[in-house]
Amino acid sequence: GQQLNQSPQSMFIQEGEDVSMNCTSSSIFNTWLWYKQDPGEGPVLLIALYKAGELTSNGRLTAQFGITRKDSFLNISASIPSDVGIYFCAGRSGTYKYIFGTGTRLKVLA
Amino acid sequence: EPEVTQTPSHQVTQMGQEVILRCVPISNHLYFYWYRQILGQKVEFLVSFYNNEISEKSEIFDDQFSVERPDGSNFTLKIRSTKLEDSAMYFCASSEWGTASSYEQYFGPGTRLTVT
Repeated sequence: GQQLNQSPQSMFIQEGEDVSMNCTSSSIFNTWLWYKQDPGEGPVLLIALYKAGELTSNGRLTAQFGITRKDSFLNISASIPSDVGIYFCAGRSGTYKYIFGTGTRLKVLA
Repeated sequence: EPEVTQTPSHQVTQMGQEVILRCVPISNHLYFYWYRQILGQKVEFLVSFYNNEISEKSEIFDDQFSVERPDGSNFTLKIRSTKLEDSAMYFCASSEWGTASSYEQYFGPGTRLTVT
């Protein structure tokens, strides 16, 4: 079946640093969503991407829909302590079903 | 801001019992979903629901599971004869239909199901 691999699996960064993470697959997707999940809570939608090559920002977050449609990237600039959490990508190919990535666990050191 | 709500937040049940997890989707949304997340793992799709019928279901969503929209606001997931491996967080999500934002799915806070 379809799989999404996220990297890195986890990262520790200093407050103020920029963060990059990505999501790759062998399958083509039509939509990418990026979510943040805090412990014990539901995923919160951060950014939605609809077209190959699209670059979309939401505050300090910027995400890109890869040209091959098999990958997506999320950048966080000037990280702050509340950025801590797990970031998931999710890809949709033909229906309303999303495949979720394995997650990137982010820890920010003050 | 409108949000998806779920009840209960935590459900403990004995193996073999039936449970019903409840969700109130965002009011103008027409597409509804259930996902689950086993502790420490990724989120997995279970089922999507539109116009009072199942649109798509995963291989996880077998005869043990059923969904229903019993009234104009609630959306439920019933799990019959629960097993230990059903222990997980269950998330409800909803999305619009027929708009540019139709593919944006908004999640509720989840119900933690513990089967003992």
